Amino acid sequence: DAEITQSPRHKITETGRQVTLACHQTWNHNNMFWYRQDLGHGLRLIHYSYGVQDTNKGEVSDGYSVSRSNTEDLPLTLESAASSQTSVYFCASSGLASNEQFFGPGTRLTVL
Amino acid sequence: AQKVTQAQTEISVVEKEDVTLDCVYETRDTTYYLFWYKQPPSGELVFLIRRNSFDEQNEISGRYSWNFQKSTSSFNFTITASQVVDSAVYFCALSEWSSGNTPLVFGKGTRLSVIA
Repeated sequence: DAEITQSPRHKITETGRQVTLACHQTWNHNNMFWYRQDLGHGLRLIHYSYGVQDTNKGEVSDGYSVSRSNTEDLPLTLESAASSQTSVYFCASSGLASNEQFFGPGTRLTVL
Repeated sequence: AQKVTQAQTEISVVEKEDVTLDCVYETRDTTYYLFWYKQPPSGELVFLIRRNSFDEQNEISGRYSWNFQKSTSSFNFTITASQVVDSAVYFCALSEWSSGNTPLVFGKGTRLSVIA
């Protein structure tokens, strides 16, 4: 069965370190998205991609970057982790003709 | 700009009561989609429904029903005869469509607690 996976599921890191969160989907979806979830804010869009080599900034993109070198993966990188980036991160994907997004299980990131 | 408002932060009901979760949206687009997602205590996001802006028919799925009213820009979600398993955070979301497939904009969520 097609799925979307995220790794790691839990991560503790220190301020200033570079961190990469992986997202892999086997739906063959063109569209992929990264959100962060914080109490009182719901889910907010970080970055998204509509295909290979395409990336776009979302509402809260500062301090994050993504790259899309193939259809299946959209890794999210925190260049220099900050305590304000402690959050739960969700990856999602959707097909070309549909905007129904399928979500990964989430990654809980703690920055100390 | 798109915006989704879920004014109810937390709701508590006793099992078997009916409960309605409110969702009000803002968009300038004439073509858009509305969604509801459920996030149980285990943390995953579960898709519940998608509705496009041209279809104002109410939908019922078992104990769940949705009331879409363009006149009031609302897409409310009702759970009939609530159960403890309905305890979760529920998110309403909006996607504009006229300019292509745009990312979802989420409301802040409503935490529903169903007490036995």
